[in-house]
Amino acid sequence: AQTVTQSQPEMSVQEAETVTLSCTYDTSENNYYLFWYKQPPSRQMILVIRQEAYKQQNATENRFSVNFQKAAKSFSLKISDSQLGDTAMYFCAFMKTQGGSEKLVFGKGTKLTVNP
Amino acid sequence: GAVVSQHPSRVICKSGTSVKIECRSLDFQATTMFWYRQFPKQSLMLMATSNEGSKATYEQGVEKDKFLINHASLTLSTLTVTSAHPEDSSFYICSARDSSGRSTDTQYFGPGTRLTVL
Repeated sequence: AQTVTQSQPEMSVQEAETVTLSCTYDTSENNYYLFWYKQPPSRQMILVIRQEAYKQQNATENRFSVNFQKAAKSFSLKISDSQLGDTAMYFCAFMKTQGGSEKLVFGKGTKLTVNP
Repeated sequence: GAVVSQHPSRVICKSGTSVKIECRSLDFQATTMFWYRQFPKQSLMLMATSNEGSKATYEQGVEKDKFLINHASLTLSTLTVTSAHPEDSSFYICSARDSSGRSTDTQYFGPGTRLTVL
């Protein structure tokens, strides 16, 4: 079974600075997707970024980028120029691409607070 | 694009009654939808996978007779909590997998439903 571990329950960062959230996972699969979702106080889950395991290039979305290390099974999220609106819970998630099961396996989340 | 709606956003009901929650994909087709439950300050717990036109697949420990799921079309899935009890009070979230080819295998989430059973 796949597992996702987020080792930082809480983090804080000053506005405009950069912060990195950690995520490691365990799987024997070779093909899969990795995701970062954001859940602000409104509790709406929002997709931040997605990475296909077969792609070596790290995904980026504006101020958000990942450091995907497949051999190390690591998938960290870097937020640059942090904004107050980035304050939220961040969940790392794994999904197999084959085998019929398309379930997302979530980590326990990291609560990020951006301070003014 | 990729918007998922959920209705109602909040519901309060008496113990013993049934409550239906709707999940709709507004601008894409979703052959698969998922229902989650989230307790305060915790991650999402998958309850069941809903496939259009077939029976839902429930996770271990989830009572299928209590949490009825119907996925009657490519854009609508419903979760009915039957004979609700106070311990069913929770935040329920649905997601829909985009099967239209635009961004396959990505799940987009609804805004959630806060259920309170008195």
